Formats: sequence, C-alpha cells, structure tokens
Amino acid sequence: RKEVEQDPGPFNVPEGATVAFNCTYSNSASQSFFWYRQDCRKEPKLLMSVYSSGNEDGRFTAQLNRASQYISLLIRDSKLSDSATYLCVVSPNTGKLIFGQGTTLQVKP
Amino acid sequence: NAGVMQNPRHLVRRRGQEARLRCSPMKGHSHVYWYRQLPEEGLKFMVYLQKENIIDESGMPKERFSAEFPKEGPSILRIQQVVRGDSAAYFCASSPPRQSSTTDTQYFGPGTRLTVL
Repeated sequence: RKEVEQDPGPFNVPEGATVAFNCTYSNSASQSFFWYRQDCRKEPKLLMSVYSSGNEDGRFTAQLNRASQYISLLIRDSKLSDSATYLCVVSPNTGKLIFGQGTTLQVKP
Repeated sequence: NAGVMQNPRHLVRRRGQEARLRCSPMKGHSHVYWYRQLPEEGLKFMVYLQKENIIDESGMPKERFSAEFPKEGPSILRIQQVVRGDSAAYFCASSPPRQSSTTDTQYFGPGTRLTVL
C-alpha cells in the first residue's frame, strides 16, 4: 500500500466549476500536511499547508481529518491557469516529504 | 534572492558512465533534500543533508548512489555506472535551519532530467 494515495484523474472540468481532490495517508505519525502544484513535470511549488482546523486561501480550501487520515483540496471557480497536477504531501517532521502520485486537473474553456 | 539552482538541467549518459548532479540551495538555507521522479510516477525522497552531514538516506538505493553537501560548494548527487532505469527527473530542495519541530517549507529547484541511453 502506498503511503499517500490520490486518485490520479484526470479531472476534466469547465471554467468556473468547483472541483475537489481527496487524499489518504497510511502513517498515523504524519505531522505536517501540504498541497503542492506541479506544472508539466516542472518543479513542485507549494500551494498551501493544511491544518486540522481547515484553511482557505482565496479560491482554495484545504481540510484535514486526522482520525480518518484524509486530506482534501477544494478549488472554486476554476480558471484555465489552474490546470496542473496537484500533489498531496505529508511529513513525519523528520525533514523528508512523502508525495502522492498526484491528481491531474484540466480546466476547459 | 536567487532560488534553488540545479545543473545541468539535462544530462545524457550511456550505460556504465557516471552522472553528477549539482544543487545550490537558496541563500541562507542549510538543509538540502534530493527527490527522484520516475516517468509517470510521483516524487520519491532520496536523501536529506546538512552541511557535511547526511541526516537521512533512507530513500537512497543501496548501491551506485551517493550524496554529499560539503562545507563549501553545492550539494552533489552522484550515480555511478548508470543504468536505463536511472532515467528520471532529479529534484533538489532546500529549507532554512529548522526553528521548531514542524516541517519547514521546502523550495524546489528546476530539476535535472537524466537520460541513460
């Protein structure tokens, strides 16, 4: 079983749609949680950290459920520029990051 | 403030040759991490280094791979006697000195694409 599992997609949505990505992790010792974005196999870039209380950054909302070991990302009012691969990332706070395989989003005009 | 720099960006090697990948962290960052991304897969942690110290090498293959981060100069990921299966994108990331028990943001370089013929 992979340490971090994501639905690879692709998710094809029209502009303006709301789309949600889910992620589960297997190590209950995980302490920090993130969503990264990767464009066309370029370097990953931090989208947002994820906190137990949930957090929002503009059109993006992240949620964490430690009991279920489940993380989500909601994107509202999708833009063409949101097309990318979204990486769910966890860390046991020993330094290393553990990445999911990524979920591909394609926003269509 | 320049970001994380990696070179070369593209590297082609024949089977059996050596590959050396270099990473210069962001200014003020003393922690370096290497990750590998195989085609159609996610990023996999390889090694975590501080200056002159390997902190965690649990993701490094047991043979042919080594990494260093000397007191002066960039971090080097070295792959000896490369095989076709080593073809991948190798990303380096850096972070500042850790202030707490939480994980600091890691900033990624553009990666080195290694192709083994």
